[in-house]
Amino acid sequence: AQSVTQLDSQVPVFEEAPVELRCNYSSSVSVYLFWYVQYPNQGLQLLLKYLSGSTLVKGINGFEAEFNKSQTSFHLRKPSVHISDTAEYFCAVRVGSNDYKLSFGAGTTVTVRA
Amino acid sequence: DAGITQSPRHKVTETGTPVTLRCHQTENHRYMYWYRQDPGHGLRLIHYSYGVKDTDKGEVSDGYSVSRSKTEDFLLTLESATSSQTSVYFCAISGQNGVADTQYFGPGTRLTVL
Repeated sequence: AQSVTQLDSQVPVFEEAPVELRCNYSSSVSVYLFWYVQYPNQGLQLLLKYLSGSTLVKGINGFEAEFNKSQTSFHLRKPSVHISDTAEYFCAVRVGSNDYKLSFGAGTTVTVRA
Repeated sequence: DAGITQSPRHKVTETGTPVTLRCHQTENHRYMYWYRQDPGHGLRLIHYSYGVKDTDKGEVSDGYSVSRSKTEDFLLTLESATSSQTSVYFCAISGQNGVADTQYFGPGTRLTVL
């Protein structure tokens, strides 16, 4: 089974500061990578995904992530956060093109303070 | 909005009673999934379906069964609910037009087993 590790369970950050959320996965084969966001009392919404091509992926709401195959990482970044970015963020991985199941990390709660 | 609804949105039940949760989609996605979300565990796959009447187990399937008699509906049944099944349950869909790379999530069902 795939293993996805989100290295920080809680990340407090001040408004307009940058934030980085770390995600590592265990796989020796090709993977598809995803970041989802969950706002309070809501379902999950796709932020961005890496399927192939450029290793720098841009998503919605100013987020971006970089796929690093040698370090098996897919860290999420935003250069300047807003109060509205307060949410839980999940990294997920899908192995190969024939397996459509996702494995999720435990999640990182981002709290943005004024 | 990927055209996915879940019912009920909230349910409180007693230990030992049967419970059925419904996921309904209007987007003709081939694949449907049931996850549970618990603090510190992220989302864990319970069961999934890759077509009408085609289902398989996920990583936490004990105590749960599913059925899919038509494309639009995927039912999750707890035959005899236990307190350990208190959780938030999410349905997801993928595979519109044969492209299964992204899963879209419903709003969730909060289930409390007393």
